Amino acid sequence: DTEVTQTPKHLVMGMTNKKSLKCEQHMGHRAMYWYKQKAKKPPELMFVYSYEKLSINESVPSRFSPECPNSSLLNLHLHALQPEDSALYLCASSQPLVNTEAFFGQGTRLTVV
Amino acid sequence: GIQVEQSPPDLILQEGANSTLRCNFSDSVNNLQWFHQNPWGQLINLFYIPSGTKQNGRLSATTVATERYSLLYISSSQTTDSGVYFCAVRQGAQKLVFGQGTRLTINP
Repeated sequence: DTEVTQTPKHLVMGMTNKKSLKCEQHMGHRAMYWYKQKAKKPPELMFVYSYEKLSINESVPSRFSPECPNSSLLNLHLHALQPEDSALYLCASSQPLVNTEAFFGQGTRLTVV
Repeated sequence: GIQVEQSPPDLILQEGANSTLRCNFSDSVNNLQWFHQNPWGQLINLFYIPSGTKQNGRLSATTVATERYSLLYISSSQTTDSGVYFCAVRQGAQKLVFGQGTRLTINP
């Protein structure tokens, strides 16, 4: 099973809302990632969790709050977002090694109104 | 950090044509992946290829790590091959850095 599952697939939220994106994998991977992708651009790294601990935060604004409750789950809590935060949010997982393959979920398409 | 450049940025072909996509990277790497992003946004793993040559059906890939480039070959293109192709290299143990992508359009 090489599947990473993200929910929801689509999300529309107002600037005062609080919502969460969820990601789950059952490949036994110990590294999980959040990427953000704007239209016609490549994915850009936001956060990395390694062994359930936050190891990389790419200077992401605090209105994005990641959480890794266990080795299979990754959440991204959203609060007071701006319209420019509208994007495709991709979750990925891999082993926390250099020579390892990463697998991506199908993404959550977020629109902030 | 490591730089990843892909060429060409856009490619339009007729069904049945062959194509070669290129990925250059600025530093030695131990990890390189090719992905196909479909119109719905999903990144589909094509190859994990830090060096050497691999083939999977109509697709094949070659990475020459010493010369810092990788090539993705698509033969007998089909309309379902349309989408964006990304190469990505790993910087350190945790950061996957993407190129800008090649947007491939296959016309019937």
